[in-house]
Amino acid sequence: AQSVTQLGSHVSVSEGALVLLRCNYSSSVPPYLFWYVQYPNQGLQLLLKYTSAATLVKGINGFEAEFKKSETSFHLTKPSAHMSDAAEYFCAVTNDYKLSFGAGTTVTVRA
Amino acid sequence: GAGVSQSPSNKVTEKGKDVELRCDPISGHTALYWYRQRLGQGLEFLIYFQGNSAPDKSGLPSDRFSAERTGESVSTLTIQRTQQEDSAVYLCASSLESFGDTQYFGPGTRLTVL
Repeated sequence: AQSVTQLGSHVSVSEGALVLLRCNYSSSVPPYLFWYVQYPNQGLQLLLKYTSAATLVKGINGFEAEFKKSETSFHLTKPSAHMSDAAEYFCAVTNDYKLSFGAGTTVTVRA
Repeated sequence: GAGVSQSPSNKVTEKGKDVELRCDPISGHTALYWYRQRLGQGLEFLIYFQGNSAPDKSGLPSDRFSAERTGESVSTLTIQRTQQEDSAVYLCASSLESFGDTQYFGPGTRLTVL
């Protein structure tokens, strides 16, 4: 069984500042890890996916995430926040077909 | 190409009524999933289809919930005798394969039970 913990239900950043969203997971076997973004009243959109090919994964919209096995973490970062990054972000893990999601982190961007 | 579509986008019903939620997956995707998103919570898995079969129904919260898939395409999630705690956004996803594959989500159906 897997589980996901996202630290911080809300994150507020200034436009142009670093965005850091934390995700820790537990899994008995090497997992597949995902970050999804959800804009208001929309479904989930894939930001990036870890599949063991590389520990640093680059995604869309300038986001990237680093897989650290020793820390069981998969934190999401973006060097410079944009107003359009305001959304809810979900970390998810699976080692089969069933995604287990974190509770989500809502990002607000201050002008 | 077309993504996953769901209908209706919003559904308001009275407690005790039955509702049907529809999902049209991406063409050619053999795997289909239903998830539920309650207000302020992450997504919880409901059911997984591989083709028209549902090898994993472990997330269905009660026997009031059922789902089917036909023609390896459209899926319907049915909730009988709806309760207020059923109010949530119901999201459908599909993937080309199942194991570890990227799941593509639809926009969801927002269900409100009065």
